[in-house]
Amino acid sequence: SQQGEEDPQALSIQEGENATMNCSYKTSINNLQWYRQNSGRGLVHLILIRSNEREKHSGRLRVTLDTSKKSSSLLITASRAADTASYFCATDGLSGGSNYKLTFGKGTLLTVNP
Amino acid sequence: EPEVTQTPSHQVTQMGQEVILRCVPISNHLYFYWYRQILGQKVEFLVSFYNNEISEKSEIFDDQFSVERPDGSNFTLKIRSTKLEDSAMYFCASSYDGGGRAFFGQGTRLTVV
Repeated sequence: SQQGEEDPQALSIQEGENATMNCSYKTSINNLQWYRQNSGRGLVHLILIRSNEREKHSGRLRVTLDTSKKSSSLLITASRAADTASYFCATDGLSGGSNYKLTFGKGTLLTVNP
Repeated sequence: EPEVTQTPSHQVTQMGQEVILRCVPISNHLYFYWYRQILGQKVEFLVSFYNNEISEKSEIFDDQFSVERPDGSNFTLKIRSTKLEDSAMYFCASSYDGGGRAFFGQGTRLTVV
């Protein structure tokens, strides 16, 4: 089964605008994490939201989680050119007897134009 | 902030050769992982390691792969008899608890020629 599928696959905005990326998943989760990856580089952890939380903020980032719809969104406000990267959601599932592996989506490629 | 470190950052190897990818997880972490990302594709789970043994492995992690924690600080991924399709970025990760934040290293880009 597929977990952590983001949409859109690609998003292009102007600097200063807000960017919203969505993630859907299929099985029950323990938590959901968002990561950022600059081209060809490592994964940078952005934020973790637990299954009993509905919203979380960190600086210009706002994450929501709707477990009834099995979906999450990442909002980046007042975007900057430096926010250009791929953004992935990753779920830490309860199914299959393991809490301890992350299942990543394909990611959203965000381009912020100066 | 504490970091997971991986070496080398880039490795080129001949098909059929064995490679060892090295990782130093964060010192007080208990759970260790390897993931890989083929160019342009999603990050895929390979294996998790806890209490000195494999706790889960994916279908990708077949007999060609093995992991080891040879001492208190290193965590290695060995790939025997590499194939062209093993070319990917390999990420090591660690976490203090299984359901918490996973810290990822910068990755090792493996190129099999």
